[in-house]
Amino acid sequence: GENVEQHPSTLSVQEGDSAVIKCTYSDSASNYFPWYKQELGKRPQLIIDIRSNVGEKKDQRIAVTLNKTAKHFSLHITETQPEDSAVYFCAARGGGADGLTFGKGTHLIIQP
Amino acid sequence: SAVISQKPSRDICQRGTSLTIQCQVDSQVTMMFWYRQQPGQSLTLIATANQGSEATYESGFVIDKFPISRPNLTFSTLTVSNMSPEDSSIYLCSARLYGTNTEAFFGQGTRLTVV
Repeated sequence: GENVEQHPSTLSVQEGDSAVIKCTYSDSASNYFPWYKQELGKRPQLIIDIRSNVGEKKDQRIAVTLNKTAKHFSLHITETQPEDSAVYFCAARGGGADGLTFGKGTHLIIQP
Repeated sequence: SAVISQKPSRDICQRGTSLTIQCQVDSQVTMMFWYRQQPGQSLTLIATANQGSEATYESGFVIDKFPISRPNLTFSTLTVSNMSPEDSSIYLCSARLYGTNTEAFFGQGTRLTVV
């Protein structure tokens, strides 16, 4: 089955700087790669996703890039703000599978 | 958008008992899923809830332990059977809305503690 690795596990950045979180996946047939933000005690919230026929997608301060050859995808957050502090999960949907395989998560800390 | 309601939101149960968690979506959906999230950890897919047929379980999860029903398109239940303290976790349902191919929505989760 699919295996998703996520790095780093913790990321601390100064407010206003950029943050990058990276994930790799194992199943070359995977075709859907969402990112979720989860605040303490709350449900995961989809923030951006990308499909295998696209290399990059942007939504305001958030962008995701996908390298199918290398089987990795990354989340980029620019101009970080205190409200960006949360745990971020990447996920992948493998070819033939319906549910998602999640990475272990990155605790993003925005330092004022 | 959609609202996914889960209940109960939390429960404390005795070992050896069972708990049924309900998930209701207010929009048309195609797929429904159940995940487990142990405290401070990631989400693990338990199964895909199939309407009118047996759920599709992931490796490590079995029907006898986690029976799932989906009697109609917008409602599903997950039962955690013969509970042990190791089953203490947060259980979440999610849904793929009709006409999309994204898992955009999760229920608020059921925090289960087994004592």
